[in-house]
Amino acid sequence: GESVGLHLPTLSVQEGDNSIINCAYSNSASDYFIWYKQESGKGPQFIIDIRSNMDKRQGQRVTVLLNKTVKHLSLQIAATQPGDSAVYFCAENRGTGGFKTIFGAGTRLFVKA
Amino acid sequence: EAGVAQSPRYKIIEKRQSVAFWCNPISGHATLYWYQQILGQGPKLLIQFQNNGVVDDSQLPKDRFSAERLKGVDSTLKIQPAKLEDSAVYLCASSLAHERGTEKLFFGSGTQLSVL
Repeated sequence: GESVGLHLPTLSVQEGDNSIINCAYSNSASDYFIWYKQESGKGPQFIIDIRSNMDKRQGQRVTVLLNKTVKHLSLQIAATQPGDSAVYFCAENRGTGGFKTIFGAGTRLFVKA
Repeated sequence: EAGVAQSPRYKIIEKRQSVAFWCNPISGHATLYWYQQILGQGPKLLIQFQNNGVVDDSQLPKDRFSAERLKGVDSTLKIQPAKLEDSAVYLCASSLAHERGTEKLFFGSGTQLSVL
């Protein structure tokens, strides 16, 4: 079946280290991918996106990598800070008679001081 | 710029009762979404509106859930009657355009529903 999922449900990193959160998707027709961050008690917040004609995109302290061959994307957070502690979701945008955003299960990131 | 507004913030009801949630999207956003987020899971799309028309409601349990977006602005989601498994956070989101590659969603804080 179609799914967007994550390899690890939780990730614990030391403050200042880099974090890598992985995501696998199964629909090769998806052409737009987004990472969202969700803090406790809040709705998901956009972090960074990437289109399928790219394999890397950088933002402020974050980088998204897309490997279409193996249907995998990752979110890299540089110099992880306590404020980065949250659940991170990858989402894919699919268009089959209408475009909709499908979310994966999420990875909880813990940052240790 | 004001964000997506949702109310109420919390709701506790007994099973078989009815409940309604309200959402006001960001001004000018044509597309509005309702997602259901069960604890420990990612948001699941229930229904998607483009202005006041339904784009996708394939995941909406239509025997008990209904949603409307009169006048293409704010929206209500209703559950009648509620079941225990409806306990979740109901998230409303909006986006500027319903076009390929531009669906950056802006979410409200959600309504946390507990069905007892």
